[in-house]
Amino acid sequence: EAQVTQNPRYLITVTGKKLTVTCSQNMNHEYMSWYRQDPGLGLRQIYYSMNVEVTDKGDVPEGYKVSRKEKRNFPLILESPSPNQTSLYFCASSWGGLYGYTFGSGTRLTVV
Amino acid sequence: RKEVEQDPGPFNVPEGATVAFNCTYSNSASQSFFWYRQDCRKEPKLLMSVYSSGNEDGRFTAQLNRASQYISLLIRDSKLSDSATYLCVGRSSASKIIFGSGTRLSIRP
Repeated sequence: EAQVTQNPRYLITVTGKKLTVTCSQNMNHEYMSWYRQDPGLGLRQIYYSMNVEVTDKGDVPEGYKVSRKEKRNFPLILESPSPNQTSLYFCASSWGGLYGYTFGSGTRLTVV
Repeated sequence: RKEVEQDPGPFNVPEGATVAFNCTYSNSASQSFFWYRQDCRKEPKLLMSVYSSGNEDGRFTAQLNRASQYISLLIRDSKLSDSATYLCVGRSSASKIIFGSGTRLSIRP
């Protein structure tokens, strides 16, 4: 089944403790992206990648890192999480061009 | 001005009604367009792409008006299962997708 898989689905952590949210897609998509969704603010792009080893900042990249060492994987790294990074995170992938994105099921992160 | 703007709703309509949403966009979000559906606490799912010539998928019809810079979604014979948030989406480049804040739709029996 064609899908984008994120893990974990839920995560509660403490301020400053490094964490990684994994994302993997099995559709051979070139484009991958991370979004966060907050009430009243909608979906905002954190980082995106156009191919292996090609990444760039989205609208809200501060406090996040990404890597794209393989085409299928695009992990999101929070080196020192803070409470304002409490949010619902989505990974998504696409062929690019005129195609829409396929989203993972989301990761609900709480930083206390 | 936001790049993609939608009326947040909520729209509360009876089952069987026809409901229409509009979405306006700025030039920066103007390469291609989509409608997504998002259920509470779930991931957005692609509902349909929007073409200049208009396109239909069952009870759903999407239209794009480039001259006036708006996109519309029409749902006919609405079902209870259509209750969700509908996201208008513009793609300005291969890597940049811009989401509207969403319109909440609630279908009542």
